[in-house]
Amino acid sequence: QKEVEQDPGPLSVPEGAIVSLNCTYSNSAFQYFMWYRQYSRKGPELLMYTYSSGNKEDGRFTAQVDKSSKYISLFIRDSQPSDSATYLCAMSVGTASKLTFGTGTRLQVTL
Amino acid sequence: GAVVSQHPSRVICKSGTSVKIECRSLDFQATTMFWYRQFPKKSLMLMATSNEGSKATYEQGVEKDKFLINHASLTLSTLTVTSAHPEDSSFYICSAPLLGTDSNYGYTFGSGTRLTVV
Repeated sequence: QKEVEQDPGPLSVPEGAIVSLNCTYSNSAFQYFMWYRQYSRKGPELLMYTYSSGNKEDGRFTAQVDKSSKYISLFIRDSQPSDSATYLCAMSVGTASKLTFGTGTRLQVTL
Repeated sequence: GAVVSQHPSRVICKSGTSVKIECRSLDFQATTMFWYRQFPKKSLMLMATSNEGSKATYEQGVEKDKFLINHASLTLSTLTVTSAHPEDSSFYICSAPLLGTDSNYGYTFGSGTRLTVV
């Protein structure tokens, strides 16, 4: 079993849809949870950063962490074609520890 | 915001030659730098962790003599691919933890280097 599981997609949604991306993990020591967006042939860009359980909202993005279920989610509201990218969940034990990534979910938002 | 500048963005080299990739932290000090390799449509694979002033820690299966990492200052870490072979062709990315610098948290990534060995 991988430490972090993420559906690779691809996920195709129409413009304006709500997108739900999810990851599950097995290591209960993870405390810091992140979502990154990666466009083709570019470095990952940090979207959301959450410590421990809870919700966090930033514009059209909402991140949720449920440590009891070892489950994290990213919601994208009013999705736009520019949101088309690969979304990677990542988590770490400490603030400077190595990141463990999910496999990434490819999202395509169509007009 | 805190940025890691990575160069070059693309490089093509001949088999047997060495290639150096640089990552510089701008506006913050990176005591730690992570180096990743990414294959097409795959996630990032951690190769090694470098800490300023000490030897890098390599992940299992990564040849330390082939992938030389130097982290001589708080703002510069380099990865040198020595005696490159076509199978070393890949996308290499560096990353540094922000540690709450100027209210920035998480990890910032370089823009990546696409290495093609011919």
